[in-house]
Amino acid sequence: ETGVTQTPRHLVMGMTNKKSLKCEQHLGHNAMYWYKQSAKKPLELMFVYSLEERVENNSVPSRFSPECPNSSHLFLHLHTLQPEDSALYLCASSPVVEQGAKLFFGSGTQLSVL
Amino acid sequence: LAKTTQPISMDSYEGQEVNITCSHNNIATNDYITWYQQFPSQGPRFIIQGYKTKVTNEVASLFIPADRKSSTLSLPRVSLSDTAVYYCLSGSSNTGKLIFGQGTTLQVKP
Repeated sequence: ETGVTQTPRHLVMGMTNKKSLKCEQHLGHNAMYWYKQSAKKPLELMFVYSLEERVENNSVPSRFSPECPNSSHLFLHLHTLQPEDSALYLCASSPVVEQGAKLFFGSGTQLSVL
Repeated sequence: LAKTTQPISMDSYEGQEVNITCSHNNIATNDYITWYQQFPSQGPRFIIQGYKTKVTNEVASLFIPADRKSSTLSLPRVSLSDTAVYYCLSGSSNTGKLIFGQGTTLQVKP
């Protein structure tokens, strides 16, 4: 148990569906992150939030829309996805966004786009 | 951002010491070196972090030479449950852009 909870653990959706991934951290951290991990590829940073403000948007397609309503919750809204978006989506948090910050990851949502 | 290079895979046997070396030739003066462990279908887990010389915790040791252009993660007496992917990371900008490489897949055999 890392203190970072992601739901759902598995999600299957069609290309025309709209779904949301949820992440909640119980660590009192101020920074939250979304990473994407495709099969046999390194983790790719998608978004970084610090105190509910987006500080990094790593050239992610607009079909992925993040939302951070408070420092404990992070969402990733999905719409009109492509099969190549199938991957493990990981949420992480850290005390602050800074050099050497230790990341705490959730278990991820395994997404399959049909 | 400093790029890291590490072996793609390593094999070991139970009870052996495993050393995984990571190269980070362009490391900046204020960059830390951090290692994570990842099991299949789970998020990475922090193992150890250091800046220079040697750091040891209950899980591993991290050796960093004086020039800091490389580092070595040492896992004492590995078991089958240490089979995982190990990531070496170096540096991050103030925006939290921490870059994961492809990692080293460690396979521990009985």
